[in-house]
Amino acid sequence: NAGVTQTPKFRILKIGQSMTLQCTQDMNHNYMYWYRQDPGMGLKLIYYSVGAGITDKGEVPNGYNVSRSTTEDFPLRLELAAPSQTSVYFCASNRQGALETQYFGPGTRLLVL
Amino acid sequence: KNQVEQSPQSLIILEGKNCTLQCNYTVSPFSNLRWYKQDTGRGPVSLTIMTFSENTKSNGRYTATLDADTKQSSLHITASQLSDSASYICVVREYGNKLVFGAGTILRVKS
Repeated sequence: NAGVTQTPKFRILKIGQSMTLQCTQDMNHNYMYWYRQDPGMGLKLIYYSVGAGITDKGEVPNGYNVSRSTTEDFPLRLELAAPSQTSVYFCASNRQGALETQYFGPGTRLLVL
Repeated sequence: KNQVEQSPQSLIILEGKNCTLQCNYTVSPFSNLRWYKQDTGRGPVSLTIMTFSENTKSNGRYTATLDADTKQSSLHITASQLSDSASYICVVREYGNKLVFGAGTILRVKS
């Protein structure tokens, strides 16, 4: 199993550009998440999904969109990139259950200039 | 507001020494508490998960403790190794599906 994979690893965007961060998991997990991690701060939840076709907002959803057409994939779309979106983005997944381990991808480092 | 506070912010220890990291939380109602290890440039990796009824849980040289009455947890690392250099993140799960992340303690182990 590859676990949770993310692409790209690093990207520089200009203000106003758009991009899609890709996330794929091969563990057949129903639950998937997108977080952002800013320096010196805890991870903040952007969006999450409890299954294909179902998505919901987290704490900081503004400026982002997601879709979940398959169990495996959970792409994060940035529209009109802003400097405040400079961050490291992590995708994660887990099986259903309060005590299930959450598995994280390696992260995508995004710089908006 | 539900929060998770970790201390110290950073720590440097010599290889072979023990250390203890602290986590205080105000999350309520509380479902479980997790400790993660995050290597530089990588995603967090789960070390332990404890429910409110568990006082201690070990994973190799890592031992987590939980006092649900005082809302405190600690992560004790025994006989530290260079590979223990990482950020250690305390995460508290509310009832429901929300996880509240601490900012982490950065540990550096020196030879």
